[in-house]
Amino acid sequence: DTEVTQTPKHLVMGMTNKKSLKCEQHMGHRAMYWYKQKAKKPPELMFVYSYEKLSINESVPSRFSPECPNSSLLNLHLHALQPEDSALYLCASSQVLRGNQPQHFGDGTRLSIL
Amino acid sequence: GDSVTQMEGPVTLSEEAFLTINCTYTATGYPSLFWYVQYPGEGLQLLLKATKADDKGSNKGFEATYRKETTSFHLEKGSVQVSDSAVYFCALSDLQNFGNEKLTFGTGTRLTIIP
Repeated sequence: DTEVTQTPKHLVMGMTNKKSLKCEQHMGHRAMYWYKQKAKKPPELMFVYSYEKLSINESVPSRFSPECPNSSLLNLHLHALQPEDSALYLCASSQVLRGNQPQHFGDGTRLSIL
Repeated sequence: GDSVTQMEGPVTLSEEAFLTINCTYTATGYPSLFWYVQYPGEGLQLLLKATKADDKGSNKGFEATYRKETTSFHLEKGSVQVSDSAVYFCALSDLQNFGNEKLTFGTGTRLTIIP
């Protein structure tokens, strides 16, 4: 069982739909991350939140909109996605201000864009 | 910038064989090093870590030693099991990015163990 919970596990949406991915952790971590992982590739960092503030945006298209409503929750709002956005989206969390602390990952949301 | 070079896969071994997956890194600061494992249909799980030179991380029979002189962090296991079949990622976190825990991943090595 992972300590980072992601919902839904699977999502199929059309290019005109609006949907949201959700991530929750209760480990008291104050850094949270979104990654995109394509098949047979390592995860690619999308966003980092530190103390509920966006600290890194890796030049992600605006059709992806992150939100961190509190220290336990992280959302990723999706709108007008493209077929190439189909991937596994992973959420992770870690302690902040400690470069030697590992990130804890959820099991991901597998997203398919029709 | 930081980078991780990982042994290309896929790797196929028989059960009880010895495993080595090579990992070397380039970093400007003082990195911490990690091995993550990803089982089919799941997210990444931390397998082991080392935070300074000569540290040895170990977990579930896997070991890796942080070698600063060779900038390496090779993963080893003495006797693999079918349940070890997964994708293994070497990663580093550079302490120069203090406060922003940015992981740099290797490309991943797919390991298959046959009975």
